[in-house]
Amino acid sequence: EPEVTQTPSHQVTQMGQEVILHCVPISNHLYFYWYRQILGQKVEFLVSFYNNEISEKSEIFDDQFSVERPDGSNFTLKIRSTKLEDSAMYFCASSGRTNTGELFFGEGSRLTVL
Amino acid sequence: SQQGEEDPQALSIQEGENATMNCSYKTSINNLQWYRQNSGRGLVHLILIRSNEREKHSGRLRVTLDTSKKSSSLLITASRAADTASYFCATDVWGAQKLVFGQGTRLTINP
Repeated sequence: EPEVTQTPSHQVTQMGQEVILHCVPISNHLYFYWYRQILGQKVEFLVSFYNNEISEKSEIFDDQFSVERPDGSNFTLKIRSTKLEDSAMYFCASSGRTNTGELFFGEGSRLTVL
Repeated sequence: SQQGEEDPQALSIQEGENATMNCSYKTSINNLQWYRQNSGRGLVHLILIRSNEREKHSGRLRVTLDTSKKSSSLLITASRAADTASYFCATDVWGAQKLVFGQGTRLTINP
């Protein structure tokens, strides 16, 4: 069964460093998302992406964050100059039909900022 | 309050009992979805109910939607220990390009 793949599963970084989280969405999907979850709490929307551009972004998704789809398969989230409060699980998701249908989530990348 | 708030925050029941979780939201929606998350894992889609539907079933799951009250409920019948997880409702807000998730309900099924 097709699945969304995320790497790394866990990354530890020093405050101020740049981090890139990688995602391979399901191959025929068109809509891509990043969410984050702090310590098993609420799942927070970061950004949605369609047709090679950002569809919507949250207040969290400021200039520190960027997304890219560098080729036909990868979807990356870059966090520049990480802060302690960026420590969280970051989930990538994709959707096939419309941007309002079922989302398929990856297993997440745990980011720990020291 | 925020879009998509689940109630209760935590629920502990005995295996075999039914579990009911509620979700309230604030704005007009296209659909409402329920997801499950096992500890430390990704979210898995359970069921989607559209704004013009009132009830939907999938196996042991029953979802209701009351758009006049802006609320939904998820019923899991004949619960099993393997149902232990967090359950989130997510609203597809009209005009938005995202799903908005609630705080979740932590469900524990005791053997």
